[in-house]
Amino acid sequence: DTAVSQTPKYLVTQMGNDKSIKCEQNLGHDTMYWYKQDSKKFLKIMFSYNNKELIINETVPNRFSPKSPDKAHLNLHINSLELGDSAVYFCASSLDKLAGTIDTQYFGPGTRLTVL
Amino acid sequence: GDSVTQMEGPVTLSEEAFLTINCTYTATGYPSLFWYVQYPGEGLQLLLKATKADDKGSNKGFEATYRKETTSFHLEKGSVQVSDSAVYFCARGGSEKLVFGKGTKLTVNP
Repeated sequence: DTAVSQTPKYLVTQMGNDKSIKCEQNLGHDTMYWYKQDSKKFLKIMFSYNNKELIINETVPNRFSPKSPDKAHLNLHINSLELGDSAVYFCASSLDKLAGTIDTQYFGPGTRLTVL
Repeated sequence: GDSVTQMEGPVTLSEEAFLTINCTYTATGYPSLFWYVQYPGEGLQLLLKATKADDKGSNKGFEATYRKETTSFHLEKGSVQVSDSAVYFCARGGSEKLVFGKGTKLTVNP
C-alpha cells in the first residue's frame, strides 16, 4: 500500500498554463507539506497544513495555491506557469502528536514539472 | 534562524570504504535530528533519527550520534555498498517544520 502518493509523476506544460498536482496520504497523519526541489537537489518547504488549516506559507508566489479538502489530501494548484517553476515537487505528511513538535515526515515519490 | 550545514559533495568512494558525512545545526533548544536518504528518481526516506542529546540513531549499517556539545549529527557507515549511492540530507526539527541541509551526493563504485 502506498503511504503518500502523488499524481502525476511527470508534468510537461507550456509557460502561462495552469496545472494541479494531487497528493494523498493513507497514514492517518494530521500534517501535510509541499516541498520544491531544484536541479541542485536543494529542498525548500512551500506550505504545510494541519487538519486542513494552513500552518506554513513560505515566501511562495501567489500563483501557487494549496488546497486541502480533507486531512488526507493536499493539492497544489499553480497558475500562469513560468520557466523557473520547473522542479520536482514533493508532498509529505507527518503525525505531529504534540503541538509544535516535529515528527518523522513521509515523502511521496515526487512530481517532475517541466515548463517549456 | 534555524539552519543545518552539511558537507558539500559529491563524495565518491569505493565499495567497503568508510563513510562520514558531517552535519552541524544551529542550537536553538533541543531539536530532533534526522538523516534522510533520496535514491535516484525517488522521494526522501527517513534513514535514522535521534530525539535527544547522546542518542544514537542507526539503520542499515548507518549511525549518527546527537552531540549537543558540538551541535553535530555526523552520519557514518563502516563499509559502504554500491546500493548506498544516493543523496543524503541532514535535517533538524524547527518551528513547525523540518529544516534541511543542502544534501550530499554519494557515489559508491564497485
